[in-house]
Amino acid sequence: GEKVEQHESTLSVREGDSAVINCTYTDTASSYFPWYKQEAGKSLHFVIDIRSNVDRKQSQRLIVLLDKKAKRFSLHITATQPEDSAIYFCAASTQGGRALIFGTGTTVSVSP
Amino acid sequence: GGIITQTPKFLIGQEGQKLTLKCQQNFNHDTMYWYRQDSGKGLRLIYYSITENDLQKGDLSEGYDASREKKSSFSLTVTSAQKNEMAVFLCASTPSGTGGKEQYFGPGTRLTVL
Repeated sequence: GEKVEQHESTLSVREGDSAVINCTYTDTASSYFPWYKQEAGKSLHFVIDIRSNVDRKQSQRLIVLLDKKAKRFSLHITATQPEDSAIYFCAASTQGGRALIFGTGTTVSVSP
Repeated sequence: GGIITQTPKFLIGQEGQKLTLKCQQNFNHDTMYWYRQDSGKGLRLIYYSITENDLQKGDLSEGYDASREKKSSFSLTVTSAQKNEMAVFLCASTPSGTGGKEQYFGPGTRLTVL
């Protein structure tokens, strides 16, 4: 079946540095790529997404890049802050856009 | 705004038992999902439903049944709980249509099987 591979399982950064999480996908029909954040003891919430008609999107300190040829997308968290510490999940659309396949998650730890 | 509620919050079962988890949303969303979250394995889709009485299988549907009797609620049944199984089941919903839209997640039901 289709898969999304999330390459970094853990990431430790110093406050103020950037964190980069990379994902690859297999479904050539995928056109929607959201990212979700899960803080300790909580459920997931949406942080940013990108669609296949663009290759870059920014929302405040978050940047998402999409390389359709390589079937790769990435989340860049710039100027990291302690509240960025969480598990981040990438996902790609499947089944005609009606469902998502999730990556296995990256635990980001931001230290002072 | 809206909210997704899942009941129960914690579920303890015995091996072989049939267990039912419930999800309610008041966003008036058409599509609802059930995911299983295991440590280190991300979220895996069990079932989803694009409207009342519709059911679509995900990659992990074996061992589960689902039911969408009305737009606001979506139930998941573990047909025979496996010994030492531990996982969190997450319900989510999204507005209708293809092309991908943000999913809103509930707080989860944590299952432990003794």
